[in-house]
Amino acid sequence: AQKITQTQPGMFVQEKEAVTLDCTYDTSDQSYGLFWYKQPSSGEMIFLIYQGSYDEQNATEGRYSLNFQKARKSANLVISASQLGDSAMYFCAMKSPNAGGTSYGKLTFGQGTILTVHP
Amino acid sequence: DTEVTQTPKHLVMGMTNKKSLKCEQHMGHRAMYWYKQKAKKPPELMFVYSYEKLSINESVPSRFSPECPNSSLLNLHLHALQPEDSALYLCASSQDSRGPATNEKLFFGSGTQLSVL
Repeated sequence: AQKITQTQPGMFVQEKEAVTLDCTYDTSDQSYGLFWYKQPSSGEMIFLIYQGSYDEQNATEGRYSLNFQKARKSANLVISASQLGDSAMYFCAMKSPNAGGTSYGKLTFGQGTILTVHP
Repeated sequence: DTEVTQTPKHLVMGMTNKKSLKCEQHMGHRAMYWYKQKAKKPPELMFVYSYEKLSINESVPSRFSPECPNSSLLNLHLHALQPEDSALYLCASSQDSRGPATNEKLFFGSGTQLSVL
């Protein structure tokens, strides 16, 4: 069974500092994809960053980077230079073939982490 | 255009009403999804359409009825809902290359906040 674990229900960070949001996963598949989504209070789920299981380098997208440690099955999101607009719920998610569904796999979400950025 | 548009943004309905949620995308995506999300919880998959055919129904009660009139539109028809069905309903789409596509990301709309009285 596929499982995503986010152990931090809430995190606080000072504006302009960096913050790491934890994510561990469990799958027996060799090929899988890891995603991070941001959900502000408006409700929309915004795609942030993707890491493939065969990617040798950690993914980066602007202020977002993914600290991928395959042996530990972790895919932590690092947000550098936090901004007030980063305050939101953050979900880690995984897609793997044996989860079923279209496009070779269903998206499995973690429980989410609420990030609050203080001025 | 990388938007998924959902209407209405808010909906209040009684348990005997019939209403519909609408979702539209113009990215040429061939997979469309309905998710249900309770407050402070992750989204839960309800239905998946692939090439306008229903490919996944996650044992959703029949009071929810999805419809995919064409590749750009997805509807969710609601009838005789219960108060516990109150939630944020999110629509999403993805390319659906029908191959090993574990890198295929989902694009989500802003959702419809549904309240059942």
